[in-house]
Amino acid sequence: DAMVIQNPRYQVTQFGKPVTLSCSQTLNHNVMYWYQQKSSQAPKLLFHYYDKDFNNEADTPDNFQSRRPNTSFCFLDIRSPGLGDAAMYLCATSREGWGPELNQPQHFGDGTRLSIL
Amino acid sequence: AQSVTQLGSHVSVSEGALVLLRCNYSSSVPPYLFWYVQYPNQGLQLLLKYTTGATLVKGINGFEAEFKKSETSFHLTKPSAHMSDAAEYFCAVAISGNTPLVFGKGTRLSVIA
Repeated sequence: DAMVIQNPRYQVTQFGKPVTLSCSQTLNHNVMYWYQQKSSQAPKLLFHYYDKDFNNEADTPDNFQSRRPNTSFCFLDIRSPGLGDAAMYLCATSREGWGPELNQPQHFGDGTRLSIL
Repeated sequence: AQSVTQLGSHVSVSEGALVLLRCNYSSSVPPYLFWYVQYPNQGLQLLLKYTTGATLVKGINGFEAEFKKSETSFHLTKPSAHMSDAAEYFCAVAISGNTPLVFGKGTRLSVIA
């Protein structure tokens, strides 16, 4: 089945040690999103790509960066994780210009839960 | 800018009882509205959406929602709760197919046997 896959599902890193989370998709969608979701909170958009066009949210910390080497893959890099960065990180995809005729606006992966020691 | 308010961070119902989760939105243009469900340690799954046309929309797992423009609401209902409905529910809004979704803070639904 076409889907959005996030690896790993659980990631533990040390305070200040760089970490990379990955997302891949088989939907051939040109838009990819990264969300941060803390416990009992709504997903918060960090950034998204339209193809290779990167769009950073104004309040996304500089500590968070992203790479999209091709349509299928997208990475989230946290350069120096702090305790406050412990969260679930969700990747989602969509087709640019989706409209009412499309089944879903965004397809989500199952997330990577990041813990900071 | 658009926004979403979900009334009640936690709702508890008995198995077989009516489920009502409230969502109000703010948007300067006609919105697209969505309900997502999230089970523990999983991503978000689309329950239903309103884009145009009929204001009462039916989704998966027996859920439905009604778009009421005059009340700026999009409440989610299910006639009879099942234990498997226990999860976190998010209401979301978008103003077009080229804008990201804006989520509400979520409502945790508990179902009591």
